[in-house]
Amino acid sequence: QKEVEQNSGPLSVPEGAIASLNCTYSDRVSQSFFWYRQYSGKSPELIMSIYSNGDKEDGRFTAQLNKASQYVSLLIRDSQPSDSATYLCAVMGGFKTIFGAGTRLFVKA
Amino acid sequence: DAGVTQSPTHLIKTRGQQVTLRCSPKSGHDTVSWYQQALGQGPQFIFQYYEEEERQRGNFPDRFSGHQFPNYSSELNVNALLLGDSALYLCASSLVSGDYGYTFGSGTRLTVV
Repeated sequence: QKEVEQNSGPLSVPEGAIASLNCTYSDRVSQSFFWYRQYSGKSPELIMSIYSNGDKEDGRFTAQLNKASQYVSLLIRDSQPSDSATYLCAVMGGFKTIFGAGTRLFVKA
Repeated sequence: DAGVTQSPTHLIKTRGQQVTLRCSPKSGHDTVSWYQQALGQGPQFIFQYYEEEERQRGNFPDRFSGHQFPNYSSELNVNALLLGDSALYLCASSLVSGDYGYTFGSGTRLTVV
């Protein structure tokens, strides 16, 4: 079983729609959870962090964490073509942060 | 405020050679982690350095080694290069707690021929 699992996609949504990205993790003692965005040919960029159960909102982005289900999600409201990228879920346990393989999102204009 | 700086940007090496990649962390960061990212994959953790010591290591062979200097900059060394070592190598800096996530450099694209 992979430590951090994501649907590879591609996930295709129309402009203005809500994009929903999901992630599950295997290590129950994981402490911190992150979403990174990676444009093609670029390095990952941190967009959200979440540490406790529930929702955390930042602009058009909402991260959701459910530790009992070992599940993290990212919602992107009012999706824009500029949101088209690969979204990496990352889970920190101890000194190590493990990344999922990423979900490719394509927002159609 | 300088971000994370990596050098070189691109590198082509022959099988069996050795390579050294360099990283300067973001100002105020004291911890450096190195990742390998193959095409279409997520970054794979190689190791993390803090206070000039390797604090944790991922599932990479001993051919991969590193160093951190007193100014927090870091090097990644790979010996006896294999074709499979071709990848994007990412340096990520953070505070020691890691709670605020990583700042990544632009990466070094290594091609082994």
